[in-house]
Amino acid sequence: DTAVSQTPKYLVTQMGNDKSIKCEQNLGHDTMYWYKQDSKKFLKIMFSYNNKELIINETVPNRFSPKSPDKAHLNLHINSLELGDSAVYFCASSQDRGPGNTIYFGEGSWLTVV
Amino acid sequence: GENVEQHPSTLSVQEGDSAVIKCTYSDSASNYFPWYKQELGKGPQLIIDIRSNVGEKKDQRIAVTLNKTAKHFSLHITETQPEDSAVYFCAASPNRGSTLGRLYFGRGTQLTVWP
Repeated sequence: DTAVSQTPKYLVTQMGNDKSIKCEQNLGHDTMYWYKQDSKKFLKIMFSYNNKELIINETVPNRFSPKSPDKAHLNLHINSLELGDSAVYFCASSQDRGPGNTIYFGEGSWLTVV
Repeated sequence: GENVEQHPSTLSVQEGDSAVIKCTYSDSASNYFPWYKQELGKGPQLIIDIRSNVGEKKDQRIAVTLNKTAKHFSLHITETQPEDSAVYFCAASPNRGSTLGRLYFGRGTQLTVWP
């Protein structure tokens, strides 16, 4: 029944590894996002897809690569993990991309790089 | 891009008191202002939002006010309860070009309600 679900919830990995976080929404929304929340709780957008098309790509290292196989899924792959990548990553979705569309967040994926 | 400032960063109140969190924004193209509540270990959840054609909106114990001229908006929680304890985020969304669809968040306010 979870509207936006992401896996895994917790991920501990070593520097240099490659990892993926998966996200699925069952709300029938057209737009999906990845947000990063740092240790000081600051939330910042990383990527946004609308109907599988990349529409927002913030200044994010190209080690981060989103993939949207269909409009209900948006996965995040991270290559060559660094200590500074440790954060909580939130997947989110909204009906459409315009302002005024409520954005629904998943429960978050806690990534710790050691 | 848009810059959202949020104050205070921490707020402690006694149960039953009111709590007010204030935010300012910089981009006059912003026309949508949601507020999110994030409980420990959870994702942010929308609690109330306001659009730029409205000055005030209320939902039970929660109200939001918007002053477009001054570019500031506030969250008011009355009759606070311990379960209101959480981190609250304001956000602004510009209706313009490359920033369309983005939410710019304030840095959050940790609200603690003491019984």
